[in-house]
Amino acid sequence: NAGVTQTPKFQVLKTGQSMTLQCAQDMNHEYMSWYRQDPGMGLRLIHYSVGAGITDQGEVPNGYNVSRSTTEDFPLRLLSAAPSQTSVYFCASSYSSSAGAGETQYFGPGTRLLVL
Amino acid sequence: AQSVTQLGSHVSVSEGALVLLRCNYSSSVPPYLFWYVQYPNQGLQLLLKYTSAATLVKGINDFEAEFKKSETSFHLTKPSAHMSDAAEYFCAVTIQTGANNLFFGTGTRLTVIP
Repeated sequence: NAGVTQTPKFQVLKTGQSMTLQCAQDMNHEYMSWYRQDPGMGLRLIHYSVGAGITDQGEVPNGYNVSRSTTEDFPLRLLSAAPSQTSVYFCASSYSSSAGAGETQYFGPGTRLLVL
Repeated sequence: AQSVTQLGSHVSVSEGALVLLRCNYSSSVPPYLFWYVQYPNQGLQLLLKYTSAATLVKGINDFEAEFKKSETSFHLTKPSAHMSDAAEYFCAVTIQTGANNLFFGTGTRLTVIP
């Protein structure tokens, strides 16, 4: 298994540009999520999905869109990039979508995004 | 609402010394608690987790943590630090109802001095 993969590893955007961060997992995991990591703030949840066709907002969803058309893929879209979206983005997945199962979330290697 | 607080954004220890990283949680319902480690320029890797079984949880690389409900704490310890332990450590919480969303602390960067 490749686990959780993310592309690209690094991206530079200009303000107002759009882009999609890709995330895929090959573990047949039900739950997938996106976090952003900023210095001194830990990781914050952007959006999550509890299954194909089902998505919901996390703590910091503004400026981001997601969709989940397949179990494997969970892309994150920035429609109009802003400097405040400069961050490191992590995708994660777990077998069960229920917190009560105590499932471990597995993280991808991250995408480092710089918005000028 | 649930949250975690990590005391100390930077901790330095000598090689061979005890490692103690502090985490306190706030949750209105019984929590599940996790410690993750992040090595430079990498993703997060699970060290250990508490899911309401044994209160003393053992993880990888000789790390362990004890869930103390009375103190609302889940501190991470290791008896003897190695140079390879230098990394950033994150405590995280989820609650037993709802989706498997994690709420992270702000992290503690561990430096190991030779």
